[in-house]
Amino acid sequence: AAGVIQSPRHLIKEKRETATLKCYPIPRHDTVYWYQQGPGQDPQFLISFYEKMQSDKGSIPDRFSAQQFSDYHSELNMSSLELGDSALYFCASSLRGRGSYEQYFGPGTRLTVT
Amino acid sequence: DQQVKQNSPSLSVQEGRISILNCDYTNSMFDYFLWYKKYPAEGPTFLISISSIKDKNEDGRFTVFLNKSAKHLSLHIVPSQPGDSAVYFCAAKRNTGNQFYFGTGTSLTVIP
Repeated sequence: AAGVIQSPRHLIKEKRETATLKCYPIPRHDTVYWYQQGPGQDPQFLISFYEKMQSDKGSIPDRFSAQQFSDYHSELNMSSLELGDSALYFCASSLRGRGSYEQYFGPGTRLTVT
Repeated sequence: DQQVKQNSPSLSVQEGRISILNCDYTNSMFDYFLWYKKYPAEGPTFLISISSIKDKNEDGRFTVFLNKSAKHLSLHIVPSQPGDSAVYFCAAKRNTGNQFYFGTGTSLTVIP
């Protein structure tokens, strides 16, 4: 079965640069979530989209923005990168319209800011 | 403020025995709970969930118990297998919105 696809898998950027992470949800899933997981920490919810509209907002910095496109893929844009942004970024998708809250996670993008 | 807590960072269990992973939460507005398993270099994998209207949900070797009065849930794995060795996260959702809160994880090691 198709899973959540994230690209790139690894990304190295310098401070103050920008980065764009992409997420392709499971086909027919209508909800996308973004999480940030620092070393030894739990995944922190950043933002979610339901049917291409922003649904919930968590601890997403103002330097970050995200959107979901007509084909349901989502992009997380990160600007003015800081060393503390180095983390694993997960995307997850679910079929919220069917009342399902089970989120299926992608493999993550490891962002390293130097 | 950690609203979902897993107080045991690690657990070791003999193969064939029962593994019990615990999770406590503070927000009485949580109405849906999930357990995820995570291997290194992979994303979390959904295991089992439970709604606050139930106190038990079972799926094969995995059973989740919910005690709302104690704000506590647990995941039972029986019998434990070496392939179950991973980090287990519990997560919870409020009855409003679609934001999930994760615990800090428990690393389970099943010893052959």
